This record gives sequence, C-alpha cells and structure tokens, in this order.
Amino acid sequence: GQNIDQPTEMTATEGAIVQINCTYQTSGFNGLFWYQQHAGEAPTFLSYNVLDGLEEKGRFSSFLSRSKGYSYLLLKELQMKDSASYLCAVMDSNYQLIWGAGTKLIIKP
Amino acid sequence: DGGITQSPKYLFRKEGQNVTLSCEQNLNHDAMYWYRQDPGQGLRLIYYSQIVNDFQKGDIAEGYSVSREKKESFPLTVTSAQKNPTAFYLCASSINANSGANVLTFGAGSRLTVL
Repeated sequence: GQNIDQPTEMTATEGAIVQINCTYQTSGFNGLFWYQQHAGEAPTFLSYNVLDGLEEKGRFSSFLSRSKGYSYLLLKELQMKDSASYLCAVMDSNYQLIWGAGTKLIIKP
Repeated sequence: DGGITQSPKYLFRKEGQNVTLSCEQNLNHDAMYWYRQDPGQGLRLIYYSQIVNDFQKGDIAEGYSVSREKKESFPLTVTSAQKNPTAFYLCASSINANSGANVLTFGAGSRLTVL
C-alpha cells in the first residue's frame, strides 16, 4: 500500500529552527509537496520537489532524497505565525496525491 | 482577486437529509477536487473532475455525488447514504490534473456537522 509518515506534533521556540520529516512509500513518484494549514483554514502551497536536493524559499527550505523516500521541511527564524499544521503529499505514478496526516507545529515564545 | 469560494462555511444537517456544498473558482483551472479532512488523517479524495461534464470517483466516493456543468463550479452533495458525514470538506482546483507540478489551490473549507 501507499503510505506517508510524518510526526503528529512538534514544539519549537520562537526564533529557532525546526525540521519536519516526511517519509513515503508510493507507487511511483512524480513529486513531493509541502502545504501549510492554519487551524480551520485552507492549506496553502509551500514547496514542490521532484529532483533530489534542497529547494530554498526565504525562511523555508525543502529537501528530497528519492532513493531514501525521504523529505524534510526546514523552517528558520521561527515566528509565532508559523504555528500551523504542515502537510506532506506525494504524487504517485498515476498523478494522484497521497497525503500524510500532517504535523502540528507549536511555537512557544 | 482569483480564488476559490466555498459555501457555506458551517452547516448542520439532520440525519437522513441531503446537503449540497458549493465550490466556485475564477482561476480558469481545468481540474477541480473535493477532499474530506478528519482529525489525525490525511486528506482523502472524494471526487475530482478534469474537464467540464466529466468527473471520477476518488478513494471515498460512496455516499457523495458531484456535477461539473460549468468550468467554474463543482458542487458536492452529501447524501443520506454517507454514514459518517461529519467532517471538514475542502474544495481545490489546479491548472490540470495530469502534470507533476500540480499545485492545488484550496477553498476555505466547509465544516459539516450531523446532529
């Protein structure tokens, strides 16, 4: 079966750095996405990786290793507004998105 | 501004009633999707549509129905056959369905509660 694993919850301190991991087992691979979702709101797109390596976008970076079935989202200089759930999703060989359950990130002052 | 509008934001339903959730987009996207989100679970695909007048079942289509009569609109009906309909429903759209970098734009969601 297809599976996406990510931690249920993480806590970090304002101003610090946090890494949210995502491991996957899917039928084929056409890219990995990270979305941010504040409580009760719509998910918003953060990043897309299809090749191995690191993609950087301001305070957020996303890394992919296809051979290991592994990605992480790195958030730097954490702000209180970064408190949200972070969803990892993989597009399989049929262009269907498989979603992880999300990681709830709690930022403490 | 372009985007996706879902309505209503909150909806209460009695058991045995059908309800319809509205989803409208002005992004000129070909593909539209309905997802269900439950606590502790990933998003689950209910239905999707790649073009007008065509749609396909997702992983959990039982008890739901959709239509795609216009490019902009993709309403979801939750029927009385859906045994556990209380959930947060998300509508999304993308430029097209069959490309790798298929970024989804989501609506704000509709929270359905069955009394």
